[in-house]
Amino acid sequence: KAGVTQTPRYLIKTRGQQVTLSCSPISGHRSVSWYQQTPGQGLQFLFEYFSETQRNKGNFPGRFSGRQFSNSRSEMNVSTLELGDSALYLCASLQGDTGELFFGEGSRLTVL
Amino acid sequence: DAKTTQPPSMDCAEGRAANLPCNHSTISGNEYVYWYRQIHSQGPQYIIHGLKNNETNEMASLIITEDRKSSTLILPHATLRDTAVYYCIVRFPNAGNNRKLIWGLGTSLAV
Repeated sequence: KAGVTQTPRYLIKTRGQQVTLSCSPISGHRSVSWYQQTPGQGLQFLFEYFSETQRNKGNFPGRFSGRQFSNSRSEMNVSTLELGDSALYLCASLQGDTGELFFGEGSRLTVL
Repeated sequence: DAKTTQPPSMDCAEGRAANLPCNHSTISGNEYVYWYRQIHSQGPQYIIHGLKNNETNEMASLIITEDRKSSTLILPHATLRDTAVYYCIVRFPNAGNNRKLIWGLGTSLAV
């Protein structure tokens, strides 16, 4: 079966702009979580969605938001981009019976 | 928060066993221990998980102490392809009941 798909894979934005990233989970998986990865901070949890409801949120400012649609696809949005938002953004879908997370290849955001 | 502590880096000779420790002293209730690894900048890949008993699969073995406050991931015969960053996390299997997950920087294993 198809894996987790993230789009776009690469993007470049300038400070002050906003960006939307998309994640399509594995078919049948209803939970999606998002992570930010930077060299200095490692892998940091952003938020987790289940059945269109945000169930958990990491310690990020309100500029970071997300949502999940009825087909389990998820988007995350970052508004008023800052240079420090440059990172690899990873999405994972959850296999509910084992708790195994399946990660996508990520969206690499560069903010200039 | 669900926090784990891992050494930042380790070396292992090819063909030897790699033993990667993880401290999770705040693990609670029925939280499981999960191990993932990340090669280059690819998405992390699941390795193994366990609750109380030791577990083994085709990739690795997981040893969990009796008090569940720490665990060790064992790669029995490390190869160059095992060079990666290894993450240990604790969580419930299902969505929605988990504390904020802290993945941190993991352990960078060089084979």
